[in-house]
Amino acid sequence: DSGVTQTPKHLITATGQRVTLRCSPRSGDLSVYWYQQSLDQGLQFLIQYYNGEERAKGNILERFSAQQFPDLHSELNLSSLELGDSALYFCASSVGQRETQYFGPGTRLLVL
Amino acid sequence: DAKTTQPTSMDCAEGRAANLPCNHSTISGNEYVYWYRQIHSQGPQYIIHGLKNNETNEMASLIITEDRKSSTLILPHATLRDTAVYYCIVRVAGPGNTPLVFGKGTRLSVIA
Repeated sequence: DSGVTQTPKHLITATGQRVTLRCSPRSGDLSVYWYQQSLDQGLQFLIQYYNGEERAKGNILERFSAQQFPDLHSELNLSSLELGDSALYFCASSVGQRETQYFGPGTRLLVL
Repeated sequence: DAKTTQPTSMDCAEGRAANLPCNHSTISGNEYVYWYRQIHSQGPQYIIHGLKNNETNEMASLIITEDRKSSTLILPHATLRDTAVYYCIVRVAGPGNTPLVFGKGTRLSVIA
């Protein structure tokens, strides 16, 4: 158990819908990272927040957005969902921006 | 793109040492070598990391060559539960954000 929690574990929705994935970092960690893992693309970095501020962006679509709240939990919002958005979404956290990242169990999203 | 090269797959007999190689010939002086593993579709699990010295923890040992162009992760007594995809990642140690860049990893199968 890494100490990072993600909800929900599974999510099934339809194309065109919007969903929100939630991540609670380990106690004391200020950085939260979001990653997407699909069958054809592997694990890819999406976005990072540090103490409430966006710090880095990776291959994140414009239909996706995220935020980190004052209590340091983070939410990833996915809108106008397409079949290709079906994937595992992982959150990771670290104390700062350079320290070891610890991953949560992931949210499996299925878009039908 | 990932800056490491790993074999696609390896087999190891249960109880024997598993030696997973990684080539990172373009590594810079301020870059660490990190190892993570992913068991089935669970969240990636941190194993170990190092800069230039060999490292050991309760999970594994990391041997880095003197020129730092390659490394080997050693699981001293592999068990069936060590069957997973193992990722070798090079990550900058300097200030600022450095997300993890995952390649395809090595699929290790531990055989009874």
